[in-house]
Amino acid sequence: GAVVSQHPSWVICKSGTSVKIECRSLDFQATTMFWYRQFPKQSLMLMATSNEGSKATYEQGVEKDKFLINHASLTLSTLTVTSAHPEDSSFYICSARDWTSADTQYFGPGTRLTVL
Amino acid sequence: KNEVEQSPQNLTAQEGEFITINCSYSVGISALHWLQQHPGGGIVSLFMLSSGKKKHGRLIATINIQEKHSSLHITASHPRDSAVYICAVPRSETSGSRLTFGEGTQLTVNP
Repeated sequence: GAVVSQHPSWVICKSGTSVKIECRSLDFQATTMFWYRQFPKQSLMLMATSNEGSKATYEQGVEKDKFLINHASLTLSTLTVTSAHPEDSSFYICSARDWTSADTQYFGPGTRLTVL
Repeated sequence: KNEVEQSPQNLTAQEGEFITINCSYSVGISALHWLQQHPGGGIVSLFMLSSGKKKHGRLIATINIQEKHSSLHITASHPRDSAVYICAVPRSETSGSRLTFGEGTQLTVNP
């Protein structure tokens, strides 16, 4: 099946720094990618929808200035957590939509962010 | 907005047992996803189905669109099947690929 990668798989940073997470579709082009966040023992929550070449659409309650999303190509979307704080510590997961199959999403392995 | 309920929340089985996990949703959908999340967190897409039944190895997924219900079955369960199984559906009839997720079912298969 199609493969989506994320980098890094885990990151530890100091409070106040910014962290960039990459999501790549390795063998297909993804016009749309989704970013999710998952806190311990909770389900995935959609943060934003990233569309190639246009601005991301953020879900209610998600700060667009804090979680910067860039989808500059059909195979890469990045999520930057700016001025990270301990409460941003979470598991961040992306998925990529295969444009040849409208409802098919492939999930990345996730990035565990710990902010000290 | 679609509401998703999964049952059971936790399931413990002995190796070899037949497993069933259920998912109900409230709003009509085009397709439903079953996902598997291992302890490390990585998610694997198991099935996407819009009608009937799909089978992959020991996994079987069924969906009843009229009853807004889907089931995931595991035959001859094995300890390596231990994971969280998550059902996901479109958030609304017009939300396209934006998904809402069930709380997940934690499956533990003992040897």
